[in-house]
Amino acid sequence: DSGVTQTPKHLITATGQRVTLRCSPRSGDLSVYWYQQSLDQGLQFLIQYYNGEERAKGNILERFSAQQFPDLHSELNLSSLELGDSALYFCASSHIPGASGGADEQFFGPGTRLTVL
Amino acid sequence: ELKVEQNPLFLSMQEGKNYTIYCNYSTTSDRLYWYRQDPGKSLESLFVLLSNGAVKQEGRLMASLDTKARLSTLHITAAVHDLSATYFCAVDIQAQGGSEKLVFGKGTKLTVNP
Repeated sequence: DSGVTQTPKHLITATGQRVTLRCSPRSGDLSVYWYQQSLDQGLQFLIQYYNGEERAKGNILERFSAQQFPDLHSELNLSSLELGDSALYFCASSHIPGASGGADEQFFGPGTRLTVL
Repeated sequence: ELKVEQNPLFLSMQEGKNYTIYCNYSTTSDRLYWYRQDPGKSLESLFVLLSNGAVKQEGRLMASLDTKARLSTLHITAAVHDLSATYFCAVDIQAQGGSEKLVFGKGTKLTVNP
């Protein structure tokens, strides 16, 4: 158990709908990362937040957005869902991004499996 | 754009045998991670390699990093069935201000047969 929690574990929805995925980082971790894992694209970085502010963006679609709240939990919002958005979405957290000595190691949550029908 | 290439992508080996998984990357980085993933599960951190020449060992697995060659290896010694999983290497890309992301290889699906 990495200490990162994600809810829900599974989500089944229809095309065109909107969903929210939730992540709570490990205690004391300030940075949260979102990744998408699909069969055709592999594991891809979506976005990073640090202490409430967006820090880095990856291949995140405009239909997707995220935020990190004052209590450091994060939410990933996916809207106008398409079949191709079906994937496993992971959240990871680290203590201090960019720190030396491994303090920036990312620990992954159990993931949310999204199925769009 | 950083590319991370793992090979092989599929590896079927017998128990007791040795093998090496390779991870090549295309740009400068001195931080590389190895993760294990069981089917439908999360990513479990195996090794954190933070400098050129770093070597770490845990049980039957040993990982090394050569930043000059932009190459990391994951060596499996005397494989056992419990090692069957998908192994990912990930390279840390650090930008200014401490922002960073991991770029993953496609993964190596290892099957250890009795």
